[in-house]
Amino acid sequence: NAGVTQTPKFQVLKTGQSMTLQCAQDMNHEYMSWYRQDPGMGLRLIHYSVGAGITDQGEVPNGYNVSRSTTEDFPLRLLSAAPSQTSVYFCASSYSLAGGPWQETQYFGPGTRLLVL
Amino acid sequence: SQQGEEDPQALSIQEGENATMNCSYKTSINNLQWYRQNSGRGLVHLILIRSNEREKHSGRLRVTLDTSKKSSSLLITASRAADTASYFCATVLYSGAGSYQLTFGKGTKLSVIP
Repeated sequence: NAGVTQTPKFQVLKTGQSMTLQCAQDMNHEYMSWYRQDPGMGLRLIHYSVGAGITDQGEVPNGYNVSRSTTEDFPLRLLSAAPSQTSVYFCASSYSLAGGPWQETQYFGPGTRLLVL
Repeated sequence: SQQGEEDPQALSIQEGENATMNCSYKTSINNLQWYRQNSGRGLVHLILIRSNEREKHSGRLRVTLDTSKKSSSLLITASRAADTASYFCATVLYSGAGSYQLTFGKGTKLSVIP
């Protein structure tokens, strides 16, 4: 199994440009999440999904869109990039026996480093 | 406001010593999770402890949870240079109507000196 994969590894954008960060998992996990990590801030939850077709907002959703058309993929879209979105983005997935997200081990991807000029 | 806060922010120890990190939180939780992050890499899940559990072990790792004090600790015994990393706690709380919230702390940076 490849686990959780993220592309690209690194991206430079200009202010106002759009892009999609890709995330895929091959573990048939129901739950997937996007986080951003800024220096000294820990990880903050952007959006998450509890299954195909179902997404919800996290702590810092503004400026980001998500969709979940398949179990495997959970792309994160930046519609109009801003310098404040310069960060490292992590995608994670997990299953749940008891119902609800984050009830079992989360598996993280390697991250995408984004620089917005 | 941050739900989970780690203490200390940084810790430096000699190889072979034990390392203890603490996580405090403000409201009742569903579970608490500990993660490790090596520099420039993704997070690796270490241990998840549920609100009705008091202690869990995994190899050289021991996690305790004291819900009355709203705190958890991660103990790494007989530390190795390879344990050098940042360690994060994450708290999950049930906010009602089938909804959950997850919040990460800012982490403890552990340096193990050979």
